[in-house]
Amino acid sequence: KNEVEQSPQNLTAQEGEFITINCSYSVGISALHWLQQHPGGGIVSLFMLSSGKKKHGRLIATINIQEKHSSLHITASHPRDSAVYICAAGGGGADGLTFGKGTHLIIQP
Amino acid sequence: NAGVTQTPKFQVLKTGQSMTLQCAQDMNHEYMSWYRQDPGMGLRLIHYSVGAGITDQGEVPNGYNVSRSTTEDFPLRLLSAAPSQTSVYFCASSDGQGGGYEQYFGPGTRLTVT
Repeated sequence: KNEVEQSPQNLTAQEGEFITINCSYSVGISALHWLQQHPGGGIVSLFMLSSGKKKHGRLIATINIQEKHSSLHITASHPRDSAVYICAAGGGGADGLTFGKGTHLIIQP
Repeated sequence: NAGVTQTPKFQVLKTGQSMTLQCAQDMNHEYMSWYRQDPGMGLRLIHYSVGAGITDQGEVPNGYNVSRSTTEDFPLRLLSAAPSQTSVYFCASSDGQGGGYEQYFGPGTRLTVT
């Protein structure tokens, strides 16, 4: 069973700061997912990646397969980025994803 | 497309009551799954289905039943609710089984068992 660890668990930053959230996993995967969950809200898929880097707007996700590590970066952070960010490791089996516990991010104006 | 829909959004049950959480998707996805989300824990898989007529247990299946009679629908049944089943429940679907497919989540059902 894959073990997925995220850090930090909680992060408070000022608007405009560069944010980094880290994720490590223990077993080789087919893909690494980053998800976003706003307070009281549903879960939205941000990225799915199996190598290299992906960028969408101010969000960047990177993965290092050899080190079993991924990072999610937010540039020029904004209060609307306040949410829980979840990483999930996708194995090859039908039982899908193994989730981290999430990083609770608060961006203060 | 509505994506993945779940009903109800909120539910309060008494211990011992039964109920069904509904989940439907209109993306013709073969793979559907149910997760529960508890404070301080990652999402945990309850049951999943790789196609109509095929279901299997996930990490925490006890106290829950599922069926998949159509591609679109994947209801989750609580047989005899217990306070330990107080949680937020998410249904998800994807275009294939395994972790290499983008997951689409429903809005969640917040269940309280008293």
